[in-house]
Parts: sequence; structure tokens; C-alpha cells
Amino acid sequence: DIVMTQTPLSSPVTLGQPASISCRSSQSLVHSDGNTYLSWLQQRPGQPPRLLIYKISNRFSGVPDRFSGSGAGTDFTLKISRVEAEDVGVYYCLQGTQFPYTFGQGTKLEIK
Amino acid sequence: EVQLLESGGGLVQPGGSLRLSCGASGFTFSDYAMAWVRQAPGKGLEWVAAISGSGGSTYYADSVKGRFTISRDNSENTLYLQMNSLRAEDTAAHYCARAASYGSGSYGYWGQGTLVTVSS
Repeated sequence: DIVMTQTPLSSPVTLGQPASISCRSSQSLVHSDGNTYLSWLQQRPGQPPRLLIYKISNRFSGVPDRFSGSGAGTDFTLKISRVEAEDVGVYYCLQGTQFPYTFGQGTKLEIK
Repeated sequence: EVQLLESGGGLVQPGGSLRLSCGASGFTFSDYAMAWVRQAPGKGLEWVAAISGSGGSTYYADSVKGRFTISRDNSENTLYLQMNSLRAEDTAAHYCARAASYGSGSYGYWGQGTLVTVSS
């Protein structure tokens, strides 16, 4: 199975400042069809997960443009350009290249 | 509007069985792969199982293989998870999720979850 490792596990940030979360996979996420199925999800307290980014850098419907994704191969990054109060929660990366799909451990975003 | 509504959770003894259901509406159900994802109390997300739109292909996490069965009834717009030989470590909120789009490799729509508690 592909292991997904996120860093940091906790990220205290100041409102209005940028934030960055990294995700590394134990093997390349490039699928035989040429796509890389790496996504990012947000889970606010008490809520189900919400898809933010899919296929590395595509924002899902309704996601603010302060969220962006980048990376290739085995190393990926989620960036929030200016953190807002509503961004508090846990962020997960998910690989959908190979079954079984696997999530990262999660990164808790907190406001300083 | 896409809606997913899970049901069937509850308290079950170790070794027991439970069947979860997920009713879907707002989209052509048979067009989309579906999945179950769970979250133990205070823990992270764990992908459990997935099924293709036709139901012809199924996939499982190693932790549930041989014990859980994912299925769907496209005529009833319903997804199922049959859980047998339940263990304490299966205690979790179980979410039903729909593929974001064909070929997205991720899940864009989620239910609110149903809690399964395995305890004597």
C-alpha cells in the first residue's frame, strides 16, 4: 500500500498570513494514464470532509482561490495564501492512484 | 443538489454484523463510483472500500478485506456496506462519499456519517 506522510502535523498560523502543508508518498503517484491523483481535503470540527483540490492543483467547485496545490511525483504541497478564521480544521492529503486509496495522517491548522 | 444520507449505524457486540446504507439523490447514481470512508473517534480518515458505477468492480482496505462487502443497488440509488466479524477497532463514524467526477481520483461529496460502535 502507498503510505502518505504529512508535515507538519500541527500548524499554528496568524490570521492573514500564509500557511503551507506538505505531503509525501512512499511511491510515485503518476498513474499509467499519465494523471497524478493527489487530492487535498479539509475537515472542520464536527463536519464531514470537504474536497479542496484534486489531481494536484485543480480547485473543486466553490473552493476559494486562496487555496492552491502543487507538486509532482512523490512530493506535494497545499498552500493557503492568507489564512482566515474559517480555515481552522484538519487537512488531509489523499492518493487515488492505486487501490487501496490512502490518506495522510492529517495536519491540524490552528490560529495563533 | 447532491445529497448522501447514511443510516444503519449503532451499537453491536464484537463478532457481530451490521449493514450500513447510503441513500443518494441529486445525480445519476449509476454514473459515479462510490466509497466508504471511516474515522475512529479523535483519529484521522481511513479509506475503507470503493465500488464502480456499475458495481462490477470493488476494492477494499486490507483492514476490512474478507469481513466487509460493499455493494450498490442502482435501481434504488443506494450504497451498502455489509460489515461482519466486527471488532472494537471498527468503532468509527462511517462516511459515504461520491467521486468528485469521472476520473478525478477523489471524493467531492460526502454524507454526514453514521456511527458504528463495537463494544460488549
